[in-house]
Amino acid sequence: DIMMTQSPLSLPVTPGEPASISCRSSQSLLHSDGYNYLDWYLQKPGQSPQVLIYLSSNRASGVPDRFSGSGSGTDFTLKISRVEAEDVGIYYCMQALQMPLTFGGGTKVEIK
Amino acid sequence: QVQLQQSGPGLVKPSQTLSLACAVSGDSVSSHSADWHWIRLSPSRGLEWLGRTYYRSKWFDEYAVSLKSRITINPDTSKNHFSLQLNSVTPEDTAMYYCARGGSGYLDYWGQGTLVIVSS
Repeated sequence: DIMMTQSPLSLPVTPGEPASISCRSSQSLLHSDGYNYLDWYLQKPGQSPQVLIYLSSNRASGVPDRFSGSGSGTDFTLKISRVEAEDVGIYYCMQALQMPLTFGGGTKVEIK
Repeated sequence: QVQLQQSGPGLVKPSQTLSLACAVSGDSVSSHSADWHWIRLSPSRGLEWLGRTYYRSKWFDEYAVSLKSRITINPDTSKNHFSLQLNSVTPEDTAMYYCARGGSGYLDYWGQGTLVIVSS
């Protein structure tokens, strides 16, 4: 199985400031089709997870452009350019290259 | 608009069978481009993929190795839903259970979640 490691575990943020979360996989997520099969999800309090970024850098429908994803191979980053209060929750990365799907341990983002 | 609606009991006794259903609207479980997953979330294990079913001219399923002897995911085309059965549950199976749609390299729609507690 592909292991996913996220950091930090917890991220206190100030509204209006940028934030960044890292995700590392135990093997390359680069498929022969040229895509990196790495997604980012946000689970807001009391809700189901929702996709933010898919295939490393593609924003899902309806996701604000302050969210961006980057990276290739085994190292990936989710950036929020200016954090808003509604961005609090737990962020997870997930690899979709192969079954079983595996997730990072999560990063809890909270407002300072 | 795709929606996944989960149903099933929130309390299961140890050694019994956990059964949940996920009703799909706005898509078909027989779609040739989608797959249908069950995932759970617990404090001890985080997000854990349980298995999936999908149709590509015939039905396929895949399961987490750790659960393979206890788990079944079945589609029901007459009801356009898919179900999860987990046998011989223990308190370690206590978790929030989610169904989700995949097939494009990500899970784009999720059910609302069902908290299942295993307790006598």
